[in-house]
Amino acid sequence: EAQVTQNPRYLITVTGKKLTVTCSQNMNHEYMSWYRQDPGLGLRQIYYSMNVEVTDKGDVPEGYKVSRKEKRNFPLILESPSPNQTSLYFCASRGTGIQPQHFGDGTRLSIL
Amino acid sequence: GQQVMQIPQYQHVQEGEDFTTYCNSSTTLSNIQWYKQRPGGHPVFLIQLVKSGEVKKQKRLTFQFGEAKKNSSLHITATQTTDVGTYFCAGHNFNKFYFGSGTKLNVKP
Repeated sequence: EAQVTQNPRYLITVTGKKLTVTCSQNMNHEYMSWYRQDPGLGLRQIYYSMNVEVTDKGDVPEGYKVSRKEKRNFPLILESPSPNQTSLYFCASRGTGIQPQHFGDGTRLSIL
Repeated sequence: GQQVMQIPQYQHVQEGEDFTTYCNSSTTLSNIQWYKQRPGGHPVFLIQLVKSGEVKKQKRLTFQFGEAKKNSSLHITATQTTDVGTYFCAGHNFNKFYFGSGTKLNVKP
């Protein structure tokens, strides 16, 4: 079954404690992206990747890092999380060209 | 930076009434996609529009892309309770996606 898998689904942690949210897709998609969703703001793109070792900033990259060492994986790293990064995070992937994005089930992060 | 504005933020309708949500971009878009997110779920792709003035239909849903490729709309005819959710437009330019803030649709049976 074609899917995008995120882990963990829920995480409560404290300010400054490094964390990683994993994202994996099994559709051999080149393009992967991370979004955060906040009430009234829709989804905002954090980072995206066009292919292995090719990443670029989205609209809200501050405080986040990503890497794309393998085509299927695109982890999101928060080196020193802060409370304003409390949010619902979605990973998405799509094929080349004008293709729909496939979203994971989301990760709800709470930074205390 | 580039922005996509979406209105209304909320819409409450009686089952059987029509519903429309509108998106406006500050700049010309390469294409626009529409997604639906059910409560507690993730966005699910509905359709994408690429050409200027394009109109596409999916059963009771009609999607339009403006002539200038800066605005778009989604119209649902005769809403049903299964239409409940939040509808997002997502403008696409230079490998980036710009989502509208979404319109939350509630349908009363």
